[in-house]
Amino acid sequence: QVQLVQSGSELKKPGASVKISCKASGYTFTRYTMNWVRQAPGQGLEWMGWINTNTGNPAYAQDFTGRFVFSLDTSVSTAYLQITSLKAEDTAVYYCVRKGGDYPDYWGQGTLVTVSS
Amino acid sequence: DIQMTQSPSSLSASVGDRITITCRASQSISNYLIWYQQKPGKAPKVLIYAASSLQGGVPSRFSGSGSGTDFTLTISGLQPEDFATYYCQQSYSTPLTFGGGTKVEIK
Repeated sequence: QVQLVQSGSELKKPGASVKISCKASGYTFTRYTMNWVRQAPGQGLEWMGWINTNTGNPAYAQDFTGRFVFSLDTSVSTAYLQITSLKAEDTAVYYCVRKGGDYPDYWGQGTLVTVSS
Repeated sequence: DIQMTQSPSSLSASVGDRITITCRASQSISNYLIWYQQKPGKAPKVLIYAASSLQGGVPSRFSGSGSGTDFTLTISGLQPEDFATYYCQQSYSTPLTFGGGTKVEIK
């Protein structure tokens, strides 16, 4: 069965960096794009962008350019989200989401990143 | 960017009620519309894709309709486990924008 398993919660200080992993199983990793979604505490869902798992080419939503980096390790079917120069407002749950064809379908369980001094 | 406007933002209902949630797109998105259910502390779960197709394993009391700019999610016979927040999302073009959410609470 398809599973996306994300790394555990992170507590970081402002200015630090964090790298979240999303390990896929149960399907051919390179046949589906991987998307990332952010949800701040008590807020709605924001689509951050996606990465082509075939080419490694990322695309970022306007609010997520500069400090956010999507990457892959296809040898272990894993996608990564790195956030640099963390700010308090980056505190959120981050989800990886598989997009099969025209529609997103499977979500990871989410990774809580807390940025606090 | 395509804006997705969901209404209402919250509603109170009783077990057994029929409820409808609306999602409006700022431009035509054909049927590239997904509905999600999210419970506290959990990832969103796909209920409906392609505006009206029921995701496998989702109870038939959930249904979706619409095309173009106007879409609805209907729950016929609300069950205790249906109290949650519901989101729509368009997958017609990037950025894949979400509606603001509808919180369904127990009356």
